[in-house]
Formats: sequence, structure tokens, C-alpha cells
Amino acid sequence: DQQVKQNSPSLSVQEGRISILNCDYTNSMFDYFLWYKKYPAEGPTFLISISSIKDKNEDGRFTVFLNKSAKHLSLHIVPSQPGDSAVYFCAATSAGANSKLTFGKGITLSVRP
Amino acid sequence: DGGITQSPKYLFRKEGQNVTLSCEQNLNHDAMYWYRQDPGQGLRLIYYSQIVNDFQKGDIAEGYSVSREKKESFPLTVTSAQKNPTAFYLCASSSPGGVQETQYFGPGTRLLVL
Repeated sequence: DQQVKQNSPSLSVQEGRISILNCDYTNSMFDYFLWYKKYPAEGPTFLISISSIKDKNEDGRFTVFLNKSAKHLSLHIVPSQPGDSAVYFCAATSAGANSKLTFGKGITLSVRP
Repeated sequence: DGGITQSPKYLFRKEGQNVTLSCEQNLNHDAMYWYRQDPGQGLRLIYYSQIVNDFQKGDIAEGYSVSREKKESFPLTVTSAQKNPTAFYLCASSSPGGVQETQYFGPGTRLLVL
């Protein structure tokens, strides 16, 4: 039973345009969400997070939106750059999860020059 | 500078052999984790430890073992009981102190079976 779903395996956008990466979750106990970026043969690097008490968090070109009623979050990258090409993982956790993260399968983003 | 190191970068295992993957952190984090990544899959939790001398099974612990004798170190042994060990293994750490805990990852070890 997949509790964090990233239903689109890949996304291709033009440089300078907006990238929107989506993530859905089923566990209503999740209250903290994270996005990680991963290059091939490297470990994931933390990108941005959001607590369930917020509906938006912004950090430079990256903004995460949370819609709790829909159990949906999205990562917006504006403007997209070729260096953003990577796999993006959505992850979720809850206060009672002993700090365990549940990851989605990832989305491969390709930014075309 | 602080971080998480994993060694070796590539590891080869023969049939029936146990191999140990190293994970060290100097971030002074209490919690450490081992994940496995397979192509087209997310990260799946193998084992985690929230404090020295204590660890818990994750979602796919069968065929693996760990120890946590020091705060800085969390080695993972892939035993001969793990029938499909070829994967990319990632170690992470975090500093539990509340709800908002961010895990930081090492560079990974790719394990291949000969």
C-alpha cells in the first residue's frame, strides 16, 4: 500500500518555464512533508519542507504548496534551469512515526536548454 | 566540515557471502537510517536507530543486520539470506527534536552481485 504517490514518473520543461511536480498521500496522520533532489549515483539532498500548519513555503526559486483536504502537495520551480534536471522525491512523516520518512517513487525532471 | 560518509562507493558480493557497508556521520545526530533504492522505486527503509545501542526494523529488514555501538557509526551487513541484494544503498541521519526532522543523506554505496 503506497502511502506517498508520485504518479507521473517524468516531466520535461523548457528552461525558464515553471516546473510543477505533484505528490499525493493517503495517510491523514502525515503532518510534515519534504522534497529531496537526487542526481544519479548520489545521495538525495534536502530541498524544501512544509508543515501541515502551513499551506505554502517558499525558498528562492522553489515553492511547496500543501492542500490538506485533497492530501496533495506540489513543488513549483520558477524559473526552471538545466541544473534542476534530477529525480525529485516527495517524503512524508508524522509526529508518531519515530522520525521515519515515507518516500514516493520519484519524478524525473528534465529541463531543456 | 560535517557530513555523512559511506564506503565503499562500489561493492561486489559473491554468492553466499556477507558484506558490510560503512556509514559514518560527524553531525552529532542521534538518529541514523539505512535505505535501499531500486530502479524506478522510491527509497525503502531497511533499519533505523534513534539512539546508540538501539535499532528497529524498517519495511524490508529481512536479510540485513545492523549495529549501533557508537553514535557516529551505523554499519549495515547484507547477509547471504538477502536473495536480491543488488541495489543502491543510502545511509541518512537526523537529529530528532520534534516533529520537523530533516534527514541528511550520504553519497550511497552501489552493491553488485558477482
